[in-house]
Amino acid sequence: GQNIDQPTEMTATEGAIVQINCTYQTSGFNGLFWYQQHAGEAPTFLSYNVLDGLEEKGRFSSFLSRSKGYSYLLLKELQMKDSASYLCALAGGATNKLIFGTGTLLAVQP
Amino acid sequence: DAGVIQSPRHEVTEMGQEVTLRCKPISGHDYLFWYRQTMMRGLELLIYFNNNVPIDDSGMPEDRFSAKMPNASFSTLKIQPSEPRDSAVYFCASSLGTDYQPQHFGDGTRLSIL
Repeated sequence: GQNIDQPTEMTATEGAIVQINCTYQTSGFNGLFWYQQHAGEAPTFLSYNVLDGLEEKGRFSSFLSRSKGYSYLLLKELQMKDSASYLCALAGGATNKLIFGTGTLLAVQP
Repeated sequence: DAGVIQSPRHEVTEMGQEVTLRCKPISGHDYLFWYRQTMMRGLELLIYFNNNVPIDDSGMPEDRFSAKMPNASFSTLKIQPSEPRDSAVYFCASSLGTDYQPQHFGDGTRLSIL
């Protein structure tokens, strides 16, 4: 089976850095995705990790440690528009099938 | 390029009625996914197709739910009869057929069963 754990909510200040953690347990591993979902909208793809290490994409970075079953999403220079839910998704078995965590609701305050 | 297109955007209907949700994937994408999202359970995979063939329907909650993909550009998710507990946002997503490709989501159908 597969299990994904993320904090339910986080609060951060505009201009700051925030790290959203995701831990998982799975019998098979094909990669870990991060999605952003604004209220009332569809999830949109942010990043993908399949090998250990850090993937950087502008203000967003994602890290993976397969041995520890751990990933994080790092958001730098926070902006108000970054207030959203961030979903960790595990590709643990069949090709292209994703299991989503329940998401972390990030509130960015002035 | 057009993204994944879902219709209707909103549906309000009475318990017991049949509901049909529609999805047009991105052209060229081999995989199509149907998800349901609620506050309590988050984003759940209901069923997915590869090249129009259902691959895994283990997430379909019960026999009241059915999904079809008659061709590469169209899929339906049907609920018959509908119940209040089916109220949720239903998303369709598609992706390319190679490994590690991100899924692209439609805007969703917000379904309310009274």
